[in-house]
Amino acid sequence: LAKTTQPISMDSYEGQEVNITCSHNNIATNDYITWYQQFPSQGPRFIIQGYKTKVTNEVASLFIPADRKSSTLSLPRVSLSDTAVYYCLVGAPYSGAGSYQLTFGKGTKLSVIP
Amino acid sequence: NAGVTQTPKFQVLKTGQSMTLQCAQDMNHEYMSWYRQDPGMGLRLIHYSVGAGITDQGEVPNGYNVSRSTTEDFPLRLLSAAPSQTSVYFCASSRGSADTQYFGPGTRLTVL
Repeated sequence: LAKTTQPISMDSYEGQEVNITCSHNNIATNDYITWYQQFPSQGPRFIIQGYKTKVTNEVASLFIPADRKSSTLSLPRVSLSDTAVYYCLVGAPYSGAGSYQLTFGKGTKLSVIP
Repeated sequence: NAGVTQTPKFQVLKTGQSMTLQCAQDMNHEYMSWYRQDPGMGLRLIHYSVGAGITDQGEVPNGYNVSRSTTEDFPLRLLSAAPSQTSVYFCASSRGSADTQYFGPGTRLTVL
């Protein structure tokens, strides 16, 4: 079961780019890296997923180095509405009984300041 | 599509009582999961299902039962509620095991 380590909290001013790094030193070969966003009193919401190199969508980019032992979520030009908890998740497709073990960890609380 | 729905939104139980948290999805997803989230903590996997009739334990399964008789529904049963089960419970579904998980709005449970 891959364990993830993220900063507990981060502060950023509006309009800045925010990079949140997640360490996952014992990531397995077939593990994917997924990031979720959670607002208070709501369920997590998918942001982005990747396996290697770089992935970009309309809200974020995900950078994964060649050794895959870490990943960085990049949020361009954050706004106040990006204030939330961000979770890094490492896990593989289900391959049999007991194999589906995804751990959210405590996440990174991002506070965007006006 | 309603997505993932959970009922009730709030529930207060006394120690020893039993109850069922309901979860339903209308996206024809094979994979469904139950998580609990304690204050200031991340989500911990309780039980999951990879299809109708197939369930398995997650990280913290003790005190909870699940069944999956249909693709749409995945109820979570608390057999004998304990104060340690006070938490927010989230249900999630996904098309495949490594695909995007869609979460319900959560059930806030308090056990006195």
